[in-house]
Amino acid sequence: SQQGEEDPQALSIQEGENATMNCSYKTSINNLQWYRQNSGRGLVHLILIRSNEREKHSGRLRVTLDTSKKSSSLLITASRAADTASYFCATDNYGQNFVFGPGTRLSVLP
Amino acid sequence: NAGVTQTPKFQVLKTGQSMTLQCAQDMNHNSMYWYRQDPGMGLRLIYYSASEGTTDKGEVPNGYNVSRLNKREFSLRLESAAPSQTSVYFCASSDWAQNIQYFGAGTRLSVL
Repeated sequence: SQQGEEDPQALSIQEGENATMNCSYKTSINNLQWYRQNSGRGLVHLILIRSNEREKHSGRLRVTLDTSKKSSSLLITASRAADTASYFCATDNYGQNFVFGPGTRLSVLP
Repeated sequence: NAGVTQTPKFQVLKTGQSMTLQCAQDMNHNSMYWYRQDPGMGLRLIYYSASEGTTDKGEVPNGYNVSRLNKREFSLRLESAAPSQTSVYFCASSDWAQNIQYFGAGTRLSVL
């Protein structure tokens, strides 16, 4: 069974718009991470948010975490064509291993 | 700065053939992982090694074996390949401090 589930499965936006992706999980976590995967490539770590944090920023990325709802969101502001990729959330469950969701495919149209 | 290196990048096997996927990392990480990625399924953990000398099963270990050869290298072996093992395989490594995973470029395997 998968711990993280991203929503939506696919998202198409225009360049300059904001993109929001959501992740829900089922059990207690130590931290939650977001990764990006460009087509045909390995995953690249974007940002980590710990269970005692509610919001974190990194450049154009903003991540929120609501442990009471067991959910997280990733906001990409002022999106660019180069942001076109699949985005995955992964939960780290206190020393048990990561569980990745199926991902959100983001297309940013020029 | 190589990071995580996987070989080969592509492989085509016939049903019943065997092969070993190689993975090496140069970041002095303790933990290493093998995942498979199928369309619409995200990544599923096959095996992992929390430290040199230890290996454990993940979510989908059947049909695979692993060897943690040393701290740098972690190999995945398919003893008798089946079409259901057609997938993209990723190796990753992480340190114990933050548990951020660093991925290789993947091996695209087709079993006919």
